[in-house]
Amino acid sequence: GAGVSQSPSNKVTEKGKDVELRCDPISGHTALYWYRQSLGQGLEFLIYFQGNSAPDKSGLPSDRFSAERTGGSVSTLTIQRTQQEDSAVYLCASSPEWYQETQYFGPGTRLLVL
Amino acid sequence: DAKTTQPPSMDCAEGRAANLPCNHSTISGNEYVYWYRQIHSQGPQYIIHGLKNNETNEMASLIITEDRKSSTLILPHATLRDTAVYYCIARAPYGNKLVFGAGTILRVKS
Repeated sequence: GAGVSQSPSNKVTEKGKDVELRCDPISGHTALYWYRQSLGQGLEFLIYFQGNSAPDKSGLPSDRFSAERTGGSVSTLTIQRTQQEDSAVYLCASSPEWYQETQYFGPGTRLLVL
Repeated sequence: DAKTTQPPSMDCAEGRAANLPCNHSTISGNEYVYWYRQIHSQGPQYIIHGLKNNETNEMASLIITEDRKSSTLILPHATLRDTAVYYCIARAPYGNKLVFGAGTILRVKS
C-alpha cells in the first residue's frame, strides 16, 4: 500500500520567509511524528500527534515552529520567519497506534534557507 | 531507553551475509530491540524488531541473546543497495519519539 508521503520534496526559501511542509501519513495510522535531520546528524524529534489527544510539542525548537493535524490525517509543519539554521531534512513518520513503535517514515522535505 | 552500542562501520562483500552487532546491556524487560536503516538521502526505513525471541522477515533476521544484552541483525545476502547506516534502538513499547544513535555504516562492496 501507499507509504508516508511528504511535499514538497525540496524547498529553497529566503531568510525571513514562512514555509509550510506537508505530510500524508499511511491511511489508518493514528500516530504522526515530525523530526528533522541536519546534515550528518541524527534525528531530532519535533512534535507528535496521537489521535485526538493534545500533541506533544516538547521538541519544537522555538515558537517559530508550529504544526497541526487536520481530521486526524494530514499534517502541516509551519516555520515562520525562517533562519539559515532551519536548513535540514524534515521527516514525517506515522505508526498504527501510539504503543506500537514501528514508525514508518516518509522521504522527507529538504529545506534550504538562503 | 537503554543505551545501545554499535561499531561505527563495517564492510561486507556483495552476496555474503552481513552481521551487524548491537550491545544493549542495560536493556529493561519490557524494552524491544528495533532496527532501522537510512540509505543516503532517504528517510529511515524500519527493518525488524523483537523482544526476546529471534525474528525473521523478508528483509532480515534478528538474533537476540538469551540474556538480551546483545543482538545481531543479519542481512542474509547483502546487495549494493543495502549500503546504509543501520540503527539499533532499545525501546519500551509505550513511548513516542525515536532517538537514533550514531549507528553502523554498512558498506557492501562488489
